[in-house]
Amino acid sequence: NAGVTQTPKFQVLKTGQSMTLQCAQDMNHEYMSWYRQDPGMGLRLIHYSVGAGITDQGEVPNGYNVSRSTTEDFPLRLLSAAPSQTSVYFCASSPLQGGGVYGYTFGSGTRLTVV
Amino acid sequence: GQQLNQSPQSMFIQEGEDVSMNCTSSSIFNTWLWYKQDPGEGPVLLIALYKAGELTSNGRLTAQFGITRKDSFLNISASIPSDVGIYFCAGSNTGNQFYFGTGTSLTVIP
Repeated sequence: NAGVTQTPKFQVLKTGQSMTLQCAQDMNHEYMSWYRQDPGMGLRLIHYSVGAGITDQGEVPNGYNVSRSTTEDFPLRLLSAAPSQTSVYFCASSPLQGGGVYGYTFGSGTRLTVV
Repeated sequence: GQQLNQSPQSMFIQEGEDVSMNCTSSSIFNTWLWYKQDPGEGPVLLIALYKAGELTSNGRLTAQFGITRKDSFLNISASIPSDVGIYFCAGSNTGNQFYFGTGTSLTVIP
């Protein structure tokens, strides 16, 4: 099925552990991004990429790393998990038109709990 | 970061009623998006707006890009039970970063 696939759907980590959230899209979208969603705060941009080999920081990048080695994949790495990183994480992709984002397609999310 | 204020925060309406919600920003945007999120799912794009004053419809949904470029509005006509969910606005002035509102939770009473 075409779209954005996120794995895992649920994850529990201990403080200090590291892990990678996976995101893959099969729509050949140039733009990919990671958001976190917290109650009462909407979605906040963590990192984004406009193409393979190009990444940039969003609004809340601290504690997270990304890389973009292929058009299809955009993994998000938590270096040393903290309870403040408990959240729902969404990956989103979009074609680029006129140099801008056309409109995101979101994955179904990864629910992360850090204890 | 940018602050987008959505109002109302929540709505409880009878099936068949019309719904209006809005989103305001402290900054000028050149793109506005409206999304709907169902429980346990990612947001789904409803309408995209690219020009000040633009009025765009998608079925029973109509959205407008405010003339000041600091606000946008979403209307849903003749609500039905499947309209239940959280509606988010999102705005951008760079094309690479979108800022999301905190959402309007809609409950439709049959």
